[in-house]
Amino acid sequence: QVQLQESGPGLVKPSQTLSLTCTVSGGSISSGSYYWSWIRQPAGKGLEWIGRIYTSGSTNYNPSLKSRVTISVDTSKNQFSLKLSSVTAADTAVYYCARVFSRVGATGGGHFDYWGQGTLVTVSS
Amino acid sequence: QSVLTQPPSVSGAPGQRVTISCTGSSSNIGAGYDVHWYQQLPGTAPKLLIYGNSNRPSGVPDRFSGSKSGTSASLAITGLQAEDEADYYCQSYDSSLSGLYVFGTGTKVTVL
Repeated sequence: QVQLQESGPGLVKPSQTLSLTCTVSGGSISSGSYYWSWIRQPAGKGLEWIGRIYTSGSTNYNPSLKSRVTISVDTSKNQFSLKLSSVTAADTAVYYCARVFSRVGATGGGHFDYWGQGTLVTVSS
Repeated sequence: QSVLTQPPSVSGAPGQRVTISCTGSSSNIGAGYDVHWYQQLPGTAPKLLIYGNSNRPSGVPDRFSGSKSGTSASLAITGLQAEDEADYYCQSYDSSLSGLYVFGTGTKVTVL
C-alpha cells in the first residue's frame, strides 16, 4: 500500500520561499509510470493543482503559479519536493502531495489515486 | 478560479438519491477527457471515489456512480447514508491555459 507524507515548516514569512517534501513509502517512486503532484486547498475553499513531476525530472506547472514554483525529485530518498517563492498570505493553505495514475486507454492526464494527509502552511510575519 | 462548476450544496434524507453535476467546457470535459470524483470528509484528505467517468476503486460502495455526457458529468449517490456527508469534487484534464488538472468548485452533501 503506497503512502505519502508531507513535511516542512508550518509557518513561512511573506516574500520568503515555501519548501515542502513528500516522502513516498510502500513502493519505489521510480517504479511504474507515475507522475507525482502537489495540490493545495485554502481553508474553506476548493482544490488547486500546483504541478507534477515524472521520475525522469520532467515537470508541468499550473500557469497561474508557474513563475514561482519548482518541483524536484530525489529518487534515492523516495521523495519529491515543492518550492514556492515570494509567498503572500494568499498562499496560506493545506498542501497535499498525491500520486497521479493514468490507466491504459484513459483520456487526459489521469487521476490522483493516493494522497498524503496534507500539511497546513501559514504565511504570516 | 475553478474551471469546472458544481452546485455549492445538495441535501437529501437517508435512503434518498442525490446527484451532483459538474459542468465544464470544450477544453476539458467536452474535449473527451475523463472525469474523476473525490470525497473529502471533514478535516481529511480527498479520497478517490470514481475514476474514468464511471469506475469505482476497490472498496467504494456501489451506491456511488458516475456518468459523463457532452461538457458535463454527474455523480449519483443512491441510498444516502449519514457517513456520505462530505464535500465532493470533480476533476478533469484541461488543454487550455487553465492548467493540466482542473477541479470542480466542490459540493457539500448534507444528510438531513
